[in-house]
Amino acid sequence: QAVVTQEPSLTVSPGGTVTLTCGSSTGAVTSGHYPYWFQQKPGQAPRTLIYDTSNKHSWTPARFSGSLLGGKAALTLSGAQPEDEADYYCFLFHSGALVFGGGTKLTVL
Amino acid sequence: EVQLVESGGGLIQPGGSLRLSCAASGFTISSNHVTWVRQAPGRGLEWVSVSYSDGSTYYADSVKGRFTISRDNSKNTLYLQMNSLRAEDTAVYYCARVSWGGYWGQGTLVTVSS
Repeated sequence: QAVVTQEPSLTVSPGGTVTLTCGSSTGAVTSGHYPYWFQQKPGQAPRTLIYDTSNKHSWTPARFSGSLLGGKAALTLSGAQPEDEADYYCFLFHSGALVFGGGTKLTVL
Repeated sequence: EVQLVESGGGLIQPGGSLRLSCAASGFTISSNHVTWVRQAPGRGLEWVSVSYSDGSTYYADSVKGRFTISRDNSKNTLYLQMNSLRAEDTAVYYCARVSWGGYWGQGTLVTVSS
């Protein structure tokens, strides 16, 4: 089964920009993997920010965006806020299975 | 409004069985991809199983042969039958819709312990 990789941790300054990535052991991530991005805060259920690479939900803050970048799925946060400190997970559809990355702990400091 | 509500979790002894339910509203599960995802204490999200709108199902290797995903379209409810439970199955189990967006339930805790 494919392995999906994310940065274990990242730090961004308030108001700054950071890009989280989601790579696959099988090669380049494409739109055919339908990448999803989730935010999870302690004690809460995950919340979907991005689906199908770049689509946003009505509750997704405008400062978050999704794309494909350098063979990976990417989540870019532009203008970080203190409330963006959380764990972020991606998953990819791989041959019927859903494969999660290990998550990125984002610190806003 | 899309909602998913899980139930059926609890404390179960190793080797036991449990059936989780996920009641959906605001959409039709038969027309969507719905999945179970779990999170062990202090760990990341782990995919468990998925039921696609075409009826196909897939399982993570860690639960294959022990867990069964099913749907009751008349009740608009997703199920996860879990047999031969192990301590490492202890987790919060979430159901989620993963088509035309991602919608999550609040989760139900399963604890496998003697």
